[in-house]
Amino acid sequence: ETGVTQTPRHLVMGMTNKKSLKCEQHLGHNAMYWYKQSAKKPLELMFVYSLEERVENNSVPSRFSPECPNSSHLFLHLHTLQPEDSALYLCASSQDQAGTTATRQRNEQFFGPGTRLTVL
Amino acid sequence: GIQVEQSPPDLILQEGANSTLRCNFSDSVNNLQWFHQNPWGQLINLFYIPSGTKQNGRLSATTVATERYSLLYISSSQTTDSGVYFCAVRRTGRRALTFGSGTRLQVQP
Repeated sequence: ETGVTQTPRHLVMGMTNKKSLKCEQHLGHNAMYWYKQSAKKPLELMFVYSLEERVENNSVPSRFSPECPNSSHLFLHLHTLQPEDSALYLCASSQDQAGTTATRQRNEQFFGPGTRLTVL
Repeated sequence: GIQVEQSPPDLILQEGANSTLRCNFSDSVNNLQWFHQNPWGQLINLFYIPSGTKQNGRLSATTVATERYSLLYISSSQTTDSGVYFCAVRRTGRRALTFGSGTRLQVQP
C-alpha cells in the first residue's frame, strides 16, 4: 500500500449504530487530519493530530470521536449519528515540523480516497 | 478565519481550449495547494505553491502571495480534466488547510 488509505470506502448506518472509520498513511508523516465534505459545502476541518496529540478540534459534535494510536493510524468513531452527518469523510497526512519557528514549513497534505457515509 | 474564494464556480469548455482558474485569499498564508477532485471523491495533488510559478505538463500555477491570489492554468484541455478544482491555503500559525468552494470544470468532446 502506498500513500493514504481509508476503509471502508462506503458505509451505510442507522442512527443507533456505532461504527469506525480507519485511515492509514504510508508516507512517514507525523500529522494526520479528518475533513468532512458535505454536499454543496466546502471541505471543512474536523480534527488535527500532530505527533499523536490532538492539536486542533473544529467544534465537532461529541458523536464524532477521533483516535490516533500512532503516527500511521487515525480512526474516527461514530455513534448516534444524524442523517445530516451523511457526507464524504476525508483523511489526510503531512509532515509537520513541530517546534520550529519557520514560517515556511512545507507541510503539503496528501489525502486518502475518502469514506462515503450515509446515515439512515 | 481566513476566507478563500474561487472563481468561476462553474466552467464548461470544449476539448482543446485553455482556461484560468482563480483563487483569492484574505490573509497571509505559508502553504497553498491546488487539488483536482475526481468523480469518486479522491483529491489529487496538483501543486504545492505558496509562491512563484510551477508547471507540470499542461497545467501550471502562479501564486502572488503579496497580492493574495493564485492562478491555475489548464492548456489544451481534455475530457479527463473534468471534475472539481480546489484551492486550499494554510494560514500562518495554523496546521490545517482552509478550502475554497471549488471550480467545477466540464470539458466536452
